[in-house]
Amino acid sequence: DAGVIQSPRHEVTEMGQEVTLRCKPISGHNSLFWYRQTMMRGLELLIYFNNNVPIDDSGMPEDRFSAKMPNASFSTLKIQPSEPRDSAVYFCASREGYEQFFGPGTRLTVL
Amino acid sequence: GQSLEQPSEVTAVEGAIVQINCTYQTSGFYGLSWYQQHDGGAPTFLSYNALDGLEETGRFSSFLSRSDSYGYLLLQELQMKDSASYFCAVRGGATNKLIFGTGTLLAVQP
Repeated sequence: DAGVIQSPRHEVTEMGQEVTLRCKPISGHNSLFWYRQTMMRGLELLIYFNNNVPIDDSGMPEDRFSAKMPNASFSTLKIQPSEPRDSAVYFCASREGYEQFFGPGTRLTVL
Repeated sequence: GQSLEQPSEVTAVEGAIVQINCTYQTSGFYGLSWYQQHDGGAPTFLSYNALDGLEETGRFSSFLSRSDSYGYLLLQELQMKDSASYFCAVRGGATNKLIFGTGTLLAVQP
């Protein structure tokens, strides 16, 4: 298996633009997680899906952030409009048992 | 809510043993995990403890005491490649989510 796949790997955008991050979990994994990592705030859980249903979105910063999982093999995290403080590395992870497998991350820079 | 505390930095020499401690607060505890993250990389799974005691995997061991809300990661025979950040993470809460600590940066010196 190729592991968790994320795209794009790097994204540079201007404040106010819409950003869409994409994730393909490992086939057969029923749980999917979006995390954000910054030096100041560490690794924060944004949202967690189980069987394509959002279970916990208490970490989503505000209404500018939204996430969807239309099927078992695809999820998106959208930021609209983006702000400089959204600059971070965004990780997607899927879980088998108690082990979470992380994708390579998307490094987002909002100018 | 859930919270974890671990030291921010640890320095050790090649071949030595180092212990990284983690204390946590959570409701509905399921287990404590450890992840390793090299600079510029993604976190990778190291170990998981659901029950009290020591779990050993090669040079790495992890310990849990649920009554003390405490665990540690023990790294033996340190190698330069072990220089990385190490995160403890607790599974718990009403939704069984995994929450990460702030990470411990381990620097292994020759």
